[in-house]
Amino acid sequence: QLQLQESGPGLVRPSETLSLTCTVSGGTISRSSYYWGWIRQPPGKGPEWIGTLYYAGSTYFNPSLKSRVTMSVDTSMNQFSLRLSSVTAADTAVYYCARVVSGWLYYFDDWGQGILVTVSS
Amino acid sequence: DIQMTQSPSTLSASVGDRVTITCRASESMSTWLAWYQQKPGKAPKVLIYKASSLENGVPSRFSGSGSGTEFTLTISSLQPDDFATYYCQQYNSSPLTFGGGTKVEI
Repeated sequence: QLQLQESGPGLVRPSETLSLTCTVSGGTISRSSYYWGWIRQPPGKGPEWIGTLYYAGSTYFNPSLKSRVTMSVDTSMNQFSLRLSSVTAADTAVYYCARVVSGWLYYFDDWGQGILVTVSS
Repeated sequence: DIQMTQSPSTLSASVGDRVTITCRASESMSTWLAWYQQKPGKAPKVLIYKASSLENGVPSRFSGSGSGTEFTLTISSLQPDDFATYYCQQYNSSPLTFGGGTKVEI
């Protein structure tokens, strides 16, 4: 049973960098058919795709966030990470990590429980 | 970007009702559409992919249809566990985009 777990600070100050990690258990992050994504959901709104990565290093980002997003993978720890720079209050959201099967342009079939990140001074 | 518009935004229904939710895309996208169910405080859970394929373990009372720009999610007989918010998501092109959601309430 695949499990994903987000971790990181729940409070980030404006203009700083948000950093989150997703730990994958019950499966290997470097399986060839799996891609790994980040999605966020502002309070009371629909989800927004942030980006997707492949264990070998390929990354795909939402153009609206691309200039501020970095994603990386650590196969030895079975983890992947998100960094979002220059945050503002508009970046306050629940952040989810998720798995994508069969390519990066696909749907998310397994999700973490999510972590609320608040941007405030 | 492909904009996804769901209707209605809120739907009041009773146990046993047949419920239909609509998702319209701003441009044609074949059948690259998924439906999710989300309960308060939980992550979305995929119900339907490729517009009409039922995800493993999802009850058969859920069904999806449509292609091009108009898609529907139908719950044939609403159960107490189905009161939730439903989202569509297109994966025809980047960026991946979600609808604004339909809340199914009692």
